[in-house]
Amino acid sequence: AQKITQTQPGMFVQEKEAVTLDCTYDTSDPSYGLFWYKQPSSGEMIFLIYQGSYDQQNATEGRYSLNFQKARKSANLVISASQLGDSAMYFCAMREVNNAGNMLTFGGGTRLMVKP
Amino acid sequence: KAGVTQTPRYLIKTRGQQVTLSCSPISGHRSVSWYQQTPGQGLQFLFEYFSETQRNKGNFPGRFSGRQFSNSRSEMNVSTLELGDSALYLCASSLEGVASGRSGDTQYFGPGTRLTVL
Repeated sequence: AQKITQTQPGMFVQEKEAVTLDCTYDTSDPSYGLFWYKQPSSGEMIFLIYQGSYDQQNATEGRYSLNFQKARKSANLVISASQLGDSAMYFCAMREVNNAGNMLTFGGGTRLMVKP
Repeated sequence: KAGVTQTPRYLIKTRGQQVTLSCSPISGHRSVSWYQQTPGQGLQFLFEYFSETQRNKGNFPGRFSGRQFSNSRSEMNVSTLELGDSALYLCASSLEGVASGRSGDTQYFGPGTRLTVL
């Protein structure tokens, strides 16, 4: 079974609108972290936001917020007020503290395209 | 603070050759992890080094190896290159890596080395 699933291979969003990128995960480890990274065409992975399995509140970082629904095992990324520079690949990743050390398991990614 | 640096940025090799990639972590970070990214397999974990010791290894053949130096800089080596080794190789550093019991020890990535095997 896939540990991290991103069901949207590609998405379009109008500039200045909000967009939600989906991520579901599967783990039996009670201690885990969920991360979102942005990868522009240059290739570098840019860290956006983190959510810990024990965190009570949803994480926010500027225009990025994470809609964490633990019971449903989902960790969707919400980008508010999209900008042209947000066009990139977005990856959801999980770190299982007890099961997998420091290894990050990545989803297949979502390509976001922002229309002017 | 400087980010993670990787050299070289681009490499072209032929089948059967070997290659060494280098990664310098963020100052103060002791854990270095390596990932391979290909269009077909996506992002896959290669291995993690912490305090000069390999702490975790992904499902890759023995042709892929690495090491870490006392200053936390890391190198990975691929011997007997195959066409399928063409990929973007990403290095990431974090404070403590596997030694940390905190799930939020964030990994910060370098720009990657794009390897092409002909």
